[in-house]
Amino acid sequence: EAAVTQSPRSKVAVTGGKVTLSCHQTNNHDYMYWYRQDTGHGLRLIHYSYVADSTEKGDIPDGYKASRPSQENFSLILELASLSQTAVYFCASSENRGPYEQYFGPGTRLTVL
Amino acid sequence: QQKVQQSPESLIVPEGGMASLNCTSSDRNVDYFWWYRQHSGKSPKMLMSIFSNGEKEEGRFTVHLNKASLHTSLHIRDSQPSDSALYLCAAILSSGSWQLIFGSGTQLTVMP
Repeated sequence: EAAVTQSPRSKVAVTGGKVTLSCHQTNNHDYMYWYRQDTGHGLRLIHYSYVADSTEKGDIPDGYKASRPSQENFSLILELASLSQTAVYFCASSENRGPYEQYFGPGTRLTVL
Repeated sequence: QQKVQQSPESLIVPEGGMASLNCTSSDRNVDYFWWYRQHSGKSPKMLMSIFSNGEKEEGRFTVHLNKASLHTSLHIRDSQPSDSALYLCAAILSSGSWQLIFGSGTQLTVMP
């Protein structure tokens, strides 16, 4: 089965601090994604990538940067964390774009105080 | 306006009952629909996909798709307490970036 792991699983950060969330996949997938989920709601796309060393903006990229140093790894960076970025963050991967299933990691619960 | 709308927001059904969940897109560029299930504190897992008009059945789960009205529905028969979860409808827009757009979900509770 497809394997996507995330670290840390939970984090408490202070407002204005820098936060880095990491994602690793062993699926040999080209596409990787970062989503955020607010309590009881659907997922919104922040950034995605289809090749190493390249990232693309999703629907809500403001306040977030992404980095894809290799096919397996994809990071989400919050340079100046804000209260409004408190959420659960999910990483996902897929073989290709379009009608291909996305496999999600276990999520990172981020609390910004 | 959200491009993928789900209804109802929450649904309570008795164990053994039928649960019916709805999803509609407001964007005519939608081509592919998925249903994901997310148990509390867990990640979303793909439940079923449907890309063509008609019906698709897998065990107790049936999905319908009407592309003309951009409407899909998920029906769960003989509902079990383990079916209690957030059900997310997602769609791909075939124009542009091929992003997966999620609805806000239907929270299903199956009462024993």
